Amino acid sequence: GNSVTQMEGPVTLSEEAFLTINCTYTATGYPSLFWYVQYPGEGLQLLLKATKADDKGSNKGFEATYRKETTSFHLEKGSVQVSDSAVYFCALRSISNFGNEKLTFGTGTRLTIIP
Amino acid sequence: NAGVMQNPRHLVRRRGQEARLRCSPMKGHSHVYWYRQLPEEGLKFMVYLQKENIIDESGMPKERFSAEFPKEGPSILRIQQVVRGDSAAYFCASSAVRQLNTEAFFGQGTRLTVV
Repeated sequence: GNSVTQMEGPVTLSEEAFLTINCTYTATGYPSLFWYVQYPGEGLQLLLKATKADDKGSNKGFEATYRKETTSFHLEKGSVQVSDSAVYFCALRSISNFGNEKLTFGTGTRLTIIP
Repeated sequence: NAGVMQNPRHLVRRRGQEARLRCSPMKGHSHVYWYRQLPEEGLKFMVYLQKENIIDESGMPKERFSAEFPKEGPSILRIQQVVRGDSAAYFCASSAVRQLNTEAFFGQGTRLTVV
């Protein structure tokens, strides 16, 4: 079946540091890939996505490139801010046996940025 | 435009009691997804519903769990005779169309604690 493996946290960085959160996946076919973010006390929000190989998703300074050859979708940001502190989830979208689409999530990585 | 509303935010139940979790989708959305997040794990798909229909319940435990999305009112996830292992965060997502993509929005979740 489909699965997503995410870098374990928690991750603690100083402000303006470079961020990488690793994500690899296992799936049949050509899934779409997503990063979701969950700020404290809130629901999940879509951060960025990529729908085919070599696509780069980007938003709010975050980037991730869909690498089919390494089945990866690592999240990066060049200079993190305190406001980036949150839990980040990598996910893939697949078609179920019932024909509907659904998301398969990684375990989440808690990121804390220190001023 | 209010987002996806879940209530209660926190729910405490004793073993053997029933838990009812509610999800009001965004206005105009007729597709609802329920996910469960166990401690230290990712979100696991449970069930996908449209108005008055269960489309995909492949992630639902076979016993004690049920879900509905009536013509009027919120979607309900019902857990009968709760056990400690049911303690988790339950998230609801809604979308306007069949595809779960950027149009899907998540609620803040209900954190169920069974004592």
